[in-house]
Amino acid sequence: DAGVIQSPRHEVTEMGQEVTLRCKPISGHDYLFWYRQTMMRGLELLIYFNNNVPIDDSGMPEDRFSAKMPNASFSTLKIQPSEPRDSAVYFCASSLIRGGQPQHFGDGTRLSIL
Amino acid sequence: SQQGEEDPQALSIQEGENATMNCSYKTSINNLQWYRQNSGRGLVHLILIRSNEREKHSGRLRVTLDTSKKSSSLLITASRAADTASYFCATDARAQGGSEKLVFGKGTKLTVNP
Repeated sequence: DAGVIQSPRHEVTEMGQEVTLRCKPISGHDYLFWYRQTMMRGLELLIYFNNNVPIDDSGMPEDRFSAKMPNASFSTLKIQPSEPRDSAVYFCASSLIRGGQPQHFGDGTRLSIL
Repeated sequence: SQQGEEDPQALSIQEGENATMNCSYKTSINNLQWYRQNSGRGLVHLILIRSNEREKHSGRLRVTLDTSKKSSSLLITASRAADTASYFCATDARAQGGSEKLVFGKGTKLTVNP
C-alpha cells in the first residue's frame, strides 16, 4: 500500500526562481496538509484541504506561497519568487475523515534557496 | 502560539533503559497524538489518546494523559538503538471547533546508545 508520495526529494535553486513541490496523498484520504519544518520554528502547518477544497490557509507565510489541489490524488505547493528564508523541509500529509485520525506523512522535500 | 511543548529537548540513554518524554499543552483538546521522525524522513504516527482516556499501551509504548494538568508522557520501555529518533506530540484544535488540524511541539531528540 503506497504511502504519501512527495517530489522532488531535494531541490536547490537560486533566489527569485519559481519552486513547485508535489504531493500524492494516500488514496481515499479526505484531508491533505502541507507543513514546513525548520530548526528555529519546528513543524508549521501552512494549509490544509478537505475533499480538494482549501479549508485553512492561515499558515501560509505570504502571497509568494500558493497551494492547489486540482483532484483527490494530487496537490502542489508553489513559491514564486523564492527567497533564501524559504529554505526548509516541506512535508505533505494526508488523513481520513475528521475525528482524530492520524496523519500520514511523506518523506518531505528538502528545499534550499541560494 | 505552539500548543504542545516537549520536554526534554534531548535525551541520551543506553540500550535497554526506559525513555520518558513529556508534553505540555495550553488549551482543551479532543485528543493528543505522538509521532516519531527518523533523520531525513517524515513523521510516523505512534499512538493516539483521547481526552477521556488516561493511559494507553502499544507494544513497548505507554502514553498517559492528564487533562487537569494539560500534560502527557510517552514512555518507551527496554529501548533499542533503532528507537533513536525525534518524538513529537501533537494536539488538535478543539478550541477552534475541529480535530483534523494538529499543532506539533518542537520534539524530543532521543539517542539510544548501543
